[in-house]
Amino acid sequence: TQLLEQSPQFLSIQEGENLTVYCNSSSVFSSLQWYRQEPGEGPVLLVTVVTGGEVKKLKRLTFQFGDARKDSSLHITAAQPGDTGLYLCAGAPSGTYKYIFGTGTRLKVLA
Amino acid sequence: EAGVAQSPRYKIIEKRQSVAFWCNPISGHATLYWYQQILGQGPKLLIQFQNNGVVDDSQLPKDRFSAERLKGVDSTLKIQPAKLEDSAVYLCASSPHSTDGYEQYFGPGTRLTVT
Repeated sequence: TQLLEQSPQFLSIQEGENLTVYCNSSSVFSSLQWYRQEPGEGPVLLVTVVTGGEVKKLKRLTFQFGDARKDSSLHITAAQPGDTGLYLCAGAPSGTYKYIFGTGTRLKVLA
Repeated sequence: EAGVAQSPRYKIIEKRQSVAFWCNPISGHATLYWYQQILGQGPKLLIQFQNNGVVDDSQLPKDRFSAERLKGVDSTLKIQPAKLEDSAVYLCASSPHSTDGYEQYFGPGTRLTVT
């Protein structure tokens, strides 16, 4: 069973700080997605990365797909309370179109 | 554009009882998914439909869970009989297609508590 492990599991930081969340696996993925989920809601897609080494930026969020397409990171610059939520990575193993979700990172940004 | 609708939002039942969840996907989306999300974990795919056919149900506990998508639109997920470990949020999602890089649009989920 492919497993996507995220670290850290929990993160509590002050507004204005920077942070990085990691998503790691021993499997190769054809593409990888990052979602944010707020309490009482379903996950919302933030980005999809498909090429090894790819870097995408979404305002203060920077996403990177590892060269070997086995890992990814999400970096948030100058975190704001609105960034609070559960961050999920989801990878589609090579040869499949089925996304497997990671274990999640729960972020809390304090004002 | 209306999002994915789910009902009920919350349900509390006793173990061994039955329960059903309903999902209305985004209009025109061919693919529909049901996920189980246990507290503190990422969603786990239970079943995937392409139109009204099942694409993947490999992680669906078929002895107690069933799902159908009549006419390729709405879907229902049923648990019969429920166990304590079924307590979770059940998420429905839809996408226009199921090829690589597709975006899944999630509903708000149904929080099930089995006592």
